[in-house]
Amino acid sequence: NAGVTQTPKFRILKIGQSMTLQCTQDMNHNYMYWYRQDPGMGLKLIYYSVGAGITDKGEVPNGYNVSRSTTEDFPLRLELAAPSQTSVYFCASSPLTGQRNQPQHFGDGTRLSIL
Amino acid sequence: EDQVTQSPEALRLQEGESSSLNCSYTVSGLRGLFWYRQDPGKGPEFLFTLYSAGEEKEKERLKATLTKKESFLHITAPKPEDSATYLCAGGYSSASKIIFGSGTRLSIRP
Repeated sequence: NAGVTQTPKFRILKIGQSMTLQCTQDMNHNYMYWYRQDPGMGLKLIYYSVGAGITDKGEVPNGYNVSRSTTEDFPLRLELAAPSQTSVYFCASSPLTGQRNQPQHFGDGTRLSIL
Repeated sequence: EDQVTQSPEALRLQEGESSSLNCSYTVSGLRGLFWYRQDPGKGPEFLFTLYSAGEEKEKERLKATLTKKESFLHITAPKPEDSATYLCAGGYSSASKIIFGSGTRLSIRP
């Protein structure tokens, strides 16, 4: 199994451009997440989804949008790129949970630079 | 406010020199304490989940423990291949959301 796959791996954008970061998982997980990781910092949650058609904001959602039309795919869109969005973006997924959270499984990230 | 704090920020050890990494948490209704390993240019790789104070998990040279306020990742007789950033995270919602600490960069010298 591939697990969580993110594309592209690297991208350079100009200020004001738009792009979509792709994320696909093949584990049939209900939950999916987008994080950003800045140097020396922990991962910050941007958006998450508990299933197809259901998304919600995380800690740092401004400047981003998401959609979830299928269980497998959870793309992240940047509409008007700004230098503050230069970061490494990680997508993750996890299975349904009961009273105890299940671990999240991560892709290898997209390294994005806004110049 | 929910928070996870890791110390030290960086740790350099000689091969074979055992040590511990600390993770302090204040997470309301903790639903799991997670440890991940992250290599440069890669995503976090899941290591352990701990759910109850007193619980311990082991994998090769690593052992994770949990109290009501802290978790420790003990590394015994480390090897250079154990060099990585180790991330701790606390689970806090029914959607399996987790809050991360900023990590400990571990370097093992041969």
